[in-house]
Amino acid sequence: DGGITQSPKYLFRKEGQNVTLSCEQNLNHDAMYWYRQDPGQGLRLIYYSQIVNDFQKGDIAEGYSVSREKKESFPLTVTSAQKNPTAFYLCASRTSPSRETQYFGPGTRLLVL
Amino acid sequence: QQQVKQSPQSLIVQKGGISIINCAYENTAFDYFPWYQQFPGKGPALLIAIRPDVSEKKEGRFTISFNKSAKQFSLHIMDSQPGDSATYFCAASMRSGNTGKLIFGQGTTLQVKP
Repeated sequence: DGGITQSPKYLFRKEGQNVTLSCEQNLNHDAMYWYRQDPGQGLRLIYYSQIVNDFQKGDIAEGYSVSREKKESFPLTVTSAQKNPTAFYLCASRTSPSRETQYFGPGTRLLVL
Repeated sequence: QQQVKQSPQSLIVQKGGISIINCAYENTAFDYFPWYQQFPGKGPALLIAIRPDVSEKKEGRFTISFNKSAKQFSLHIMDSQPGDSATYFCAASMRSGNTGKLIFGQGTTLQVKP
């Protein structure tokens, strides 16, 4: 099955803890994206990566970090500096610069204990 | 200038009726306008998309109408069905730079009553 997988489905974070959300794709897509979804605010871009070993900040990057060591993987770390991390996190990928369509994973819901 | 404004926030339609969701943008550099459908607890899925060189695009019961001069576009769902109940997002992006960054509207929660 080709697609984007995100794990875990639910994640609980304690005060002061860093947590990492996994995103894997086997679509051979070049670009990958992380969005945060809050009720009534749509999706907001956290980080994106167009090629391996390169990534750029999106609109709300503060308190988050990413890496892109492999084409198929783009993990997101929610650091303790992110004071309001409770949200639904969505990973997406895109084939190439000439194709605008982004395909989304099933999401990870992060909750604070 | 990077915003996409979407309305209404929520919509209730009877089965068989027409659902209409509107979006407006300010940045004239936007040249790709997709609509995504999202069911609760799932990731969004591309429904239909349009470029500014056409005024309308239809796929089955879903139609995008695009008004370039007014900088507005809308999604029409004909013969709405209970299975269409979901949250719908409009978005916009520009090909220049090739970053693929999508700017999303705030979303519209559609409920189709049987």
